[in-house]
Amino acid sequence: AQKITQTQPGMFVQEKEAVTLDCTYDTSDQSYGLFWYKQPSSGEMIFLIYQGSYDEQNATEGRYSLNFQKARKSANLVISASQLGDSAMYFCAVGDTGRRALTFGSGTRLQVQP
Amino acid sequence: DTGVSQNPRHKITKRGQNVTFRCDPISEHNRLYWYRQTLGQGPEFLTYFQNEAQLEKSRLLSDRFSAERPKGSFSTLEIQRTEQGDSAMYLCASSLRSELYTDTQYFGPGTRLTVL
Repeated sequence: AQKITQTQPGMFVQEKEAVTLDCTYDTSDQSYGLFWYKQPSSGEMIFLIYQGSYDEQNATEGRYSLNFQKARKSANLVISASQLGDSAMYFCAVGDTGRRALTFGSGTRLQVQP
Repeated sequence: DTGVSQNPRHKITKRGQNVTFRCDPISEHNRLYWYRQTLGQGPEFLTYFQNEAQLEKSRLLSDRFSAERPKGSFSTLEIQRTEQGDSAMYLCASSLRSELYTDTQYFGPGTRLTVL
């Protein structure tokens, strides 16, 4: 079984500052992938970034980076230079090679303040 | 390059009625997934297709739920005899089988179902 824990129900950040959203995971699989998605109020899940369990370097995509600490089973999302448009729900998810379904956490609501 | 589309975007129905949702994946994607999301929660997996074959179903997918992907392109999700507990956002996602450990799934805008 897989599990994702996001301990921050809500976060506030000032515009142009960096913010870290926490994610810890539990999986018995040796080979797996970690994902972050953004869900604005419109409802669509927008893919942000992916980290494979065997990737030695942390993934980066523009202003998004994933702080992957395999031994601690954590995959925190770092958003640099926050923008007002970053205000949304953010979900961490894990998937393995054997089972195609993703397991999601309960999400973190990020609010960027001007 | 169009993304995943879902229709309708909103559906209001009375308890006991049947409803059907449609999902059109990204054109070259051979995998298609259905998830359900209730208020304040992350999406929960319902079922998954590779081409036209339904390869996995969650225990959440009761006998009242059925999904098809007849030609390996679009998919439909039908809920029979709807209950108030079926009220949720139904999300469809698609992916292309890749060499990565886990495919990246791209989601549609969802269908919000309200059962009165």
